[in-house]
Amino acid sequence: DAKTTQPNSMESNEEEPVHLPCNHSTISGTDYIHWYRQLPSQGPEYVIHGLTSNVNNRMASLAIAEDRKSSTLILHRATLRDAAVYYCILRPTGNQFYFGTGTSLTVIP
Amino acid sequence: GAVVSQHPSRVICKSGTSVKIECRSLDFQATTMFWYRQFPKKSLMLMATSNEGSKATYEQGVEKDKFLINHASLTLSTLTVTSAHPEDSSFYICSADQGSNQPQHFGDGTRLSIL
Repeated sequence: DAKTTQPNSMESNEEEPVHLPCNHSTISGTDYIHWYRQLPSQGPEYVIHGLTSNVNNRMASLAIAEDRKSSTLILHRATLRDAAVYYCILRPTGNQFYFGTGTSLTVIP
Repeated sequence: GAVVSQHPSRVICKSGTSVKIECRSLDFQATTMFWYRQFPKKSLMLMATSNEGSKATYEQGVEKDKFLINHASLTLSTLTVTSAHPEDSSFYICSADQGSNQPQHFGDGTRLSIL
């Protein structure tokens, strides 16, 4: 299973943009890049996913490097409700998810 | 959006009891569901892949006789923790997706506490 590397923790001020990095240097051509977040005592929540092109949705944007060896999840204006553990996961076509350690995001009021 | 319902949300029971956890996809059919466990302040660990109408595929180190998985329909998978002991206490989470390369949808988890 392809591995991802994320910082253990990050902080952001409320209403500021947040850039959460993820390295995945061993990614293969068919691996999708998925981002999920998890609040305490809840199941993970889908945030965004993509293959090669940058993606935008109502929650966030996903910027994928041209060589696909890294990606960045962008929260445009952090709110207190965005405080969570964010997981970057590579998923081969149709296959399982293997979670890494994730990044714990703290939002400072 | 797609919803996965997990029940019960919390279970407390005595050592030696068997506990069944249900995972339902409410508005889509899921040929494959996944079961995870999570210890405090740790990441999710994939336990097994539940396949509708066939045997589950277990990850290395997960005892299939201890964690029985049944996926009898396209909307329901169950995980039974047999003869549970205190070391089985954990947060169990299921997920399902609507097809290859689609997002996974997770249940809210089941907090299992064995006394």
